[in-house]
Amino acid sequence: AQKVTQAQTEISVVEKEDVTLDCVYETRDTTYYLFWYKQPPSGELVFLIRRNSFDEQNEISGRYSWNFQKSTSSFNFTITASQVVDSAVYFCALSEADSGNTPLVFGKGTRLSVIA
Amino acid sequence: EAQVTQNPRYLITVTGKKLTVTCSQNMNHEYMSWYRQDPGLGLRQIYYSMNVEATDKGDVPEGYKVSRKEKRNFPLILESPSPNQTSLYFCASRGLVDVGSSTDTQYFGPGTRLTVL
Repeated sequence: AQKVTQAQTEISVVEKEDVTLDCVYETRDTTYYLFWYKQPPSGELVFLIRRNSFDEQNEISGRYSWNFQKSTSSFNFTITASQVVDSAVYFCALSEADSGNTPLVFGKGTRLSVIA
Repeated sequence: EAQVTQNPRYLITVTGKKLTVTCSQNMNHEYMSWYRQDPGLGLRQIYYSMNVEATDKGDVPEGYKVSRKEKRNFPLILESPSPNQTSLYFCASRGLVDVGSSTDTQYFGPGTRLTVL
């Protein structure tokens, strides 16, 4: 069975600090996708990234970076120089890569509070 | 613009009063699904549909019904809502996945916040 663990329930940082959100996953599939979503206070889900299991390259997008390590089944997310607007709940998710019912399996989320 | 719409966005109701949350997508996607989000639990799949007249249970289907009479619509029906169905609901649709790209695989609606008193 697939499982996503986000061990950090809540994190508070002061603005401009760097922060890493942890994500550990379990799957028996050899081909899968990993995701991060941001949920601001308004409630919608904002897609941040999708990483395919065959692509272990790390990704950087502005202040955001992702570290995918198959050896430890982790897909961690780092925000550099955090800002108040980064305050949100962040979800890590996993799905199989076939064409059937491939629901996203979500972690429980990490609530990030960035304090000015 | 490609989108998934849900209505209503907010709803407060009472126990036992039947309600329907509509979901519509304009991308001609075969696959649609419903999730509920609860604090400390993340999002969990309620029902999904692979195509018209093809629906099946997800992880938490109890107390819900769905229908898929048209490709674009996938309503979620609560025949007799109870307080434990107070939650944030998301509809999602998915087309063919581009395995080689890094774009999102599912389009999520904006969410429906339901309170059952």
